[in-house]
Amino acid sequence: KQEVTQIPAALSVPEGENLVLNCSFTDSAIYNLQWFRQDPGKGLTSLLLIQSSQREQTSGRLNASLDKSSGRSTLYIAASQPGDSATYLCAVDGGSQGNLIFGKGTKLSVKP
Amino acid sequence: GAGVSQSPSNKVTEKGKDVELRCDPISGHTALYWYRQSLGQGLEFLIYFQGNSAPDKSGLPSDRFSAERTGGSVSTLTIQRTQQEDSAVYLCASSSRLAGVLTDTQYFGPGTRLTVL
Repeated sequence: KQEVTQIPAALSVPEGENLVLNCSFTDSAIYNLQWFRQDPGKGLTSLLLIQSSQREQTSGRLNASLDKSSGRSTLYIAASQPGDSATYLCAVDGGSQGNLIFGKGTKLSVKP
Repeated sequence: GAGVSQSPSNKVTEKGKDVELRCDPISGHTALYWYRQSLGQGLEFLIYFQGNSAPDKSGLPSDRFSAERTGGSVSTLTIQRTQQEDSAVYLCASSSRLAGVLTDTQYFGPGTRLTVL
């Protein structure tokens, strides 16, 4: 059974700092991996999707990497801003049905 | 609309009552998913619809939960005889995933917050 773990559970950094969020999964047979952002009381916003054949994806200040063989992904946020404060969720799509299996998230707080 | 919409945004009900939650996916998206997010828990998959195929109900926690998707578009999640442990945020997502094809991004609605008293 696929399990997704995110470390750390919470992170507080000063504005401007670069940071890395970690995600690990137990079964390397995945189709893709997605990173989402969730603001309090809101739904999920997709940030980046990495297909199983890809190693990384970039969008603005965000860079996500995927090492399928070791079951790991990282989300790198450059020059963090207070507006980046949110919960970041990692999810893998490992089945023919396409349902996502989520980690419990990392709650990020960026202090001005 | 441009995104996935869900209604109601909040629902408070008494234990034992039935509730219906609605999801309007992005127009043209063939795949629709329901997830549940309980306090302190991660998101858990409930049910998946792909086009006109029979839904994958493997994530439904009990037979009190059911869902249907009419005309390949709008979906309704029904919870019968609600229990306090059903209290959670119910999220709907859709994607343009085609069966047997590489996956696509799932787009999530804002969710319905269900509180069972």
